[in-house]
Amino acid sequence: GAGVSQSPSNKVTEKGKDVELRCDPISGHTALYWYRQSLGQGLEFLIYFQGNSAPDKSGLPSDRFSAERTGGSVSTLTIQRTQQEDSAVYLCASSPGGALFVETQYFGPGTRLLVL
Amino acid sequence: GENVEQHPSTLSVQEGDSAVIKCTYSDSASNYFPWYKQELGKRPQLIIDIRSNVGEKKDQRIAVTLNKTAKHFSLHITETQPEDSAVYFCAPVVGLTLTFGKGTMLLVSP
Repeated sequence: GAGVSQSPSNKVTEKGKDVELRCDPISGHTALYWYRQSLGQGLEFLIYFQGNSAPDKSGLPSDRFSAERTGGSVSTLTIQRTQQEDSAVYLCASSPGGALFVETQYFGPGTRLLVL
Repeated sequence: GENVEQHPSTLSVQEGDSAVIKCTYSDSASNYFPWYKQELGKRPQLIIDIRSNVGEKKDQRIAVTLNKTAKHFSLHITETQPEDSAVYFCAPVVGLTLTFGKGTMLLVSP
């Protein structure tokens, strides 16, 4: 079946503008994660959604970052008033969502964000 | 939070040699230990994982060993091939959240 998809694949924006990044998880997966990967760095956890539970937002770096997940499927990560240090690849991952133990996460191709 | 370190940060080997990457973590509550491979410009993909009740797991040329007492786990790749060249990330889990290491760049020369 289809894997995790993300859009856009690339985004160039000017400093101070808002951006929205979209993630379509694998159908039926109830768990969804957002990560950020800066050049040459590891993956930084941002936020985690599990079903209808309140999301784990502990990784969001500032209040300019927010995410929502509508209908338990598609998720949107929004960055307001973008800064140059926001430039990175934003990766989304989903898993079946057993909630009792960690499962394999399937990653999307990422959105490459460049803030000028 | 969980502190994760990987060593080495870069590793160059000749084709056919073995490669070992070590990951240390700080939270003794960690109970799931995956390794991801990320080729240049591509998404991370799970290559092997181990749970805390197992000390070693092997899948063809790759293996993972876990030492919970010392809080480290290692990725072993035998008979390396050029297509093994990539960045490898460990990502021990506390609760339901993975914390990724900074990655190890493995370069396998023909």
